[in-house]
Amino acid sequence: DAGITQSPRHKVTETGTPVTLRCHQTENHRYMYWYRQDPGHGLRLIHYSYGVKDTDKGEVSDGYSVSRSKTEDFLLTLESATSSQTSVYFCAITGAGVRDGYTFGSGTRLTVV
Amino acid sequence: GQQLNQSPQSMFIQEGEDVSMNCTSSSIFNTWLWYKQEPGEGPVLLIALYKAGELTSNGRLTAQFGITRKDSFLNISASIPSDVGIYFCAGQLTRDDKIIFGKGTRLHILP
Repeated sequence: DAGITQSPRHKVTETGTPVTLRCHQTENHRYMYWYRQDPGHGLRLIHYSYGVKDTDKGEVSDGYSVSRSKTEDFLLTLESATSSQTSVYFCAITGAGVRDGYTFGSGTRLTVV
Repeated sequence: GQQLNQSPQSMFIQEGEDVSMNCTSSSIFNTWLWYKQEPGEGPVLLIALYKAGELTSNGRLTAQFGITRKDSFLNISASIPSDVGIYFCAGQLTRDDKIIFGKGTRLHILP
């Protein structure tokens, strides 16, 4: 396997609480991405990182923030969780010069009640 | 922004049948990728295509890079139960660009 793990795998949280999801990679890849997957919408990019402390917004970034203080870790924070953020969240990685697209983690299923 | 139109959205087929799905775009891509996602897991790369007109196989799967660079096709021959899942197409213009994903084709196989 490519060495990418997401934690937790499942989480239930209450509306209004902050939540942090973690993506950890052992590949020393430069690029890391956070997606959410919802029925009818496919994979939508939330935020991405192209290096330590270098991050940028994707198409659905409102209500989310990210941090990357180390190459291996990319954190996604829901500042104040809402029911519309109930989703499955995927992290993906790729490296400079890597030809074959992204490698995805196994996902985190988040339920906001 | 760039969008990929993937069709069909879902398919119900009998075991043993062949499957065809496609992906089209208004923009050109220099790389086309096909992923499969099984329940409870992230997408996994099946086939990568790098040249217009290229035809590449991976077991019973065959994918083609359209000659216009605006489309790609995936065929699965003699489907089996483990083919069930969501198939995503994806396009990339250059290696420095983000990958654009289609919304997926959900494949169901009837016994």
